[in-house]
Amino acid sequence: NAGVTQTPKFRVLKTGQSMTLLCAQDMNHEYMYWYRQDPGMGLRLIHYSVGEGTTAKGEVPDGYNVSRLKKQNFLLGLESAAPSQTSVYFCASRGDRAYSGANVLTFGAGSRLTVL
Amino acid sequence: AQTVTQSQPEMSVQEAETVTLSCTYDTSESNYYLFWYKQPPSRQMILVIRQEAYKQQNATENRFSVNFQKAAKSFSLKISDSQLGDTAMYFCAFPNNAGNMLTFGGGTRLMVKP
Repeated sequence: NAGVTQTPKFRVLKTGQSMTLLCAQDMNHEYMYWYRQDPGMGLRLIHYSVGEGTTAKGEVPDGYNVSRLKKQNFLLGLESAAPSQTSVYFCASRGDRAYSGANVLTFGAGSRLTVL
Repeated sequence: AQTVTQSQPEMSVQEAETVTLSCTYDTSESNYYLFWYKQPPSRQMILVIRQEAYKQQNATENRFSVNFQKAAKSFSLKISDSQLGDTAMYFCAFPNNAGNMLTFGGGTRLMVKP
């Protein structure tokens, strides 16, 4: 059981380049999330999805786009990368709407993105 | 907006001793879950412990326990008999009112010294 898989794990971009981060989960989860982690700021939510074909903005959505064409995949895109988007990106998923003792976030291993 | 505050950016503790990490939050809800996550140098986010606000009894998982003060909106994590493997970033987290997203605190970096 792979859980949540993120690709790539590392990437270096030049300012203005575009790229896509892929998140794949094999747990049949409805909810999927993209967070970014910056020093001293914890994890901040970029976008999320409550099911196939749906997306919604989180706390810091500017400069990012997402798509959820298949239930198991959640893609995060940067159309024109900026140095401010240098960060570690985490994907997470969970099965149901309500947080409960059993329904918790499962995280991927993270993707480190550097924009020069 | 939901807020989760961790007031201790860094802490250190000697191996085998006890340390407490603080977390405060703000909500108007009456029943909810609170979470502590650990992020070791490997970067993987690992769930440490969870607490349901409805329950008066504090949650315990082996060496990890919480001190949940609902009225004060405080949710601290106590690590007993600290081990070198406990060295990590620790995040507390709290769902929004709609239950569709989790808000994280800024984290506390814990160093366990031999």
